[in-house]
Amino acid sequence: EVQLVESGGGLVKPGGSLRLSCAAPGFSFSSAWMSWVRQAPGKGLEWVGRIKTKSDGGTTDYAAPVKGRFTVSRDDSKNTLYLQMSSLQTEDTAVYYCTTSFFQLRTSAFDLWGQGTMVTVSS
Amino acid sequence: EIVLTQSPATLSLSPGERATLSCRASQSVDIYLLWYQQKPGQAPRLLIYDASNRATGIPARFSGSGSGTDFTLTISSLEPEDFAVYYCQQRSNLPLTFGGGTKVEIK
Repeated sequence: EVQLVESGGGLVKPGGSLRLSCAAPGFSFSSAWMSWVRQAPGKGLEWVGRIKTKSDGGTTDYAAPVKGRFTVSRDDSKNTLYLQMSSLQTEDTAVYYCTTSFFQLRTSAFDLWGQGTMVTVSS
Repeated sequence: EIVLTQSPATLSLSPGERATLSCRASQSVDIYLLWYQQKPGQAPRLLIYDASNRATGIPARFSGSGSGTDFTLTISSLEPEDFAVYYCQQRSNLPLTFGGGTKVEIK
């Protein structure tokens, strides 16, 4: 079954760090651009960042609020996407989803989503 | 950054009624506008991509239209399972952005 499974969420103090993982079994992971999208409690969706395929240069792009603090990376040998978050702020509290375009690889039309992992930044 | 403004914020309708949701972009996104449905506690589900194409498995009562800066999602006859929050998203420019959402609630 094609699915995305996030892990690594939890409670962290302001200024702390956390790394999220997204496993993608049963999927042509190495051929897909992968993104992270977050949703603060009771709020809307916010794109966080993206990583392209190695064949497309493996380049990353980020939303302004997280640029310089968050890093998206991938390990194609493990079919896994990562989000390294540092200098966390209370405003980063959200459910974090990994997502991709399964039906149209290498685009940003997100038809495959994980279940989400909750990150809470609080003292 | 392209700002997407969705209206109305809340739409109160009865099952069987027609729902018309709007998404306006602060600059042209060509046809690269998508629509998602989200229910409480669930991840978003892609409904429409590139303005008017239904995603796999999406019922025909969902349709999208528009280009440039003005887009519409229409649900021709609301089913009980359609009461949810709907988001638009543009993939024309980085950063990718989402609208603030329209909640379709039961009247």
